Amino acid sequence: QQQVKQSPQSLIVQKGGISIINCAYENTAFDYFPWYQQFPGKGPALLIAIRPDVSEKKEGRFTISFNKSAKQFSLHIMDSQPGDSATYFCAASLGTGRRALTFGSGTRLQVQP
Amino acid sequence: EAGVAQSPRYKIIEKRQSVAFWCNPISGHATLYWYQQILGQGPKLLIQFQNNGVVDDSQLPKDRFSAERLKGVDSTLKIQPAKLEDSAVYLCASRSQGAPGYTFGSGTRLTVV
Repeated sequence: QQQVKQSPQSLIVQKGGISIINCAYENTAFDYFPWYQQFPGKGPALLIAIRPDVSEKKEGRFTISFNKSAKQFSLHIMDSQPGDSATYFCAASLGTGRRALTFGSGTRLQVQP
Repeated sequence: EAGVAQSPRYKIIEKRQSVAFWCNPISGHATLYWYQQILGQGPKLLIQFQNNGVVDDSQLPKDRFSAERLKGVDSTLKIQPAKLEDSAVYLCASRSQGAPGYTFGSGTRLTVV
């Protein structure tokens, strides 16, 4: 019930293209869904987050789409750049983020110039 | 604001030895987390502190792992005795009372040989 499943495991996109990463969750009590970006040798950094009362949130080139009935959410990176090459993790938690995050397994994104 | 500080950055020990990791969270952050990140996987929660009290240690292998957060500020995580499968990056994160997003440190990479 606490799992968050993430796909694909790895993704190669051309510069300027759209990167799409998907996550699915089981626990319908989850109420906070962030995405984290991690570069090699660094800790994950919060990228963007959404709560289940909205279906989409956009910040710059990053958009989260949320489908509550399907228990799925996705990250879209528009106009992908080589500097976006990193590992991306979806996560979910209870209590609007007050409880600990459960992370997906990660997607390694490579943006080719 | 200063980030989450962790030390050491790297540690190599032999199996059955003991090891300790240190974390200094962002000033004023009441909530502190320790996560274990095995290579190629998402971070997995070990323990969550609220000030100097434990909120969740359900996934901490208590026969070998221990953690404390004296005075509600710094925290240490100890492994004794270490096993080969403990090889991972140990991440510390902190969160302020009113905000759901974590700030992670850069982690300690542990190799058990």
